[in-house]
Order: sequence, then C-alpha cells, then structure tokens
Amino acid sequence: GAVVSQHPSWVICKSGTSVKIECRSLDFQATTMFWYRQFPKQSLMLMATSNEGSKATYEQGVEKDKFLINHASLTLSTLTVTSAHPEDSSFYICSARFHGGTGMNIQYFGAGTRLSVL
Amino acid sequence: EDKVVQSPLSLVVHEGDTVTLNCSYEVTNFRSLLWYKQEKKAPTFLFMLTSSGIEKKSGRLSSILDKKELFSILNITATQTGDSAVYLCAVRQGAQKLVFGQGTRLTINP
Repeated sequence: GAVVSQHPSWVICKSGTSVKIECRSLDFQATTMFWYRQFPKQSLMLMATSNEGSKATYEQGVEKDKFLINHASLTLSTLTVTSAHPEDSSFYICSARFHGGTGMNIQYFGAGTRLSVL
Repeated sequence: EDKVVQSPLSLVVHEGDTVTLNCSYEVTNFRSLLWYKQEKKAPTFLFMLTSSGIEKKSGRLSSILDKKELFSILNITATQTGDSAVYLCAVRQGAQKLVFGQGTRLTINP
C-alpha cells in the first residue's frame, strides 16, 4: 500500500513553545492530506483538511490560529501547534488521500506524533 | 448529527476463535465505508466497501456492507494473537471527509 511518513514520532516541549509536525507521502502525490487528533482510548477526530496550494479547511471548534497547516507541495503537509499548552498534549495523526483506480479513494495514515507539553 | 457506532467496544477471545465486529452508521452523503486496524500507532487500511452485499476478503479477514440497513461487519476467522488491535470503522462522507467510529479493542489470548 501507499506509505505516509510522519515526523517526529514523539515530542516533549515546554508550555508556550511551538511544535512543527511533518507529514509526507513517500510514493504518491497527495493533493489532500488530513490532520486528526486522538485522545486515549477514543477514536480519531478530524481537525482539518490540508489542500495543496490553498488554505486548510478546519473543522468546527478547531482554532486555525493555534493549529497552523501548510501544504506547500504535493508530498508534504505540516502542522504547527503554536504556543502549546498542556491541554494540547495528545496524539496527532496525519493521513494522505490516495487516488487509485476507478472509485478508489483511500486515506493512508502516518504513524502519529505523541505531543507532551510540560 | 453524523455518527458511526461500533460494537462491541471491547472483545476478548481465545486464539482460534472467530469474531464478528459491527459498525452501524448514520451519515449524510455516504460514499464508502472503510475498515482500519490500529495496533500501536498508525491505522493500517484493511477494506473499502461501496456496494451492498459484496464480500471483500483478505486471508482470514472478510467484510460486507448493507447499505439498506446501514451497517457493516468485519469477520476474523481462526484468530491469532497478532490480530489483537483496535479495529476502526470509518465512513467517507462526500468527497473526502472520514467519520470514524469509536473503535473495537480486540484482544486475542493464547
């Protein structure tokens, strides 16, 4: 299957600092990538849809000034958590949309980034 | 409100047993239903279902969709300890958005 790489896998930072997470599609081009947040023992909640060359689309309740998304190329999207606070500690997962044959539209996921804000 | 509901939330069985995981949905603009397996980190893709009544099969795993009753099942036969994971059901709504269920945590004991 298609491979999506996410980096870093784990980051610890001090409150008030900013953290950047990268999501790369390694063997396919992705015009659309997605950023999810997952709390312990809960499912994935979509935060925003990242569109190459245009602004991201944020889900209701997600602060776009806090979670900055940049999708500058067909293989890279970044999520920057600005002025991180302990309540931002979570597991962040990205996915990239793969268009295969007729009707094939599958999201492949990165390995996730565990963010711990002290 | 769009929702995807999985059951059971947790299941513990012995190796060799057969399990059935359920996923029901109420989602506007349904396009497809997807099953993922999440072990420690990244969900890995299992199946995508778009048509009712057509079984998708991969080894010991199989899945089917009923678009009239709005549900899908994922079957795993002759379970192995390596099948232990959280199984996620997601419905693609419109062009791209996925709505996820809570997941079923499956534990296979030797």
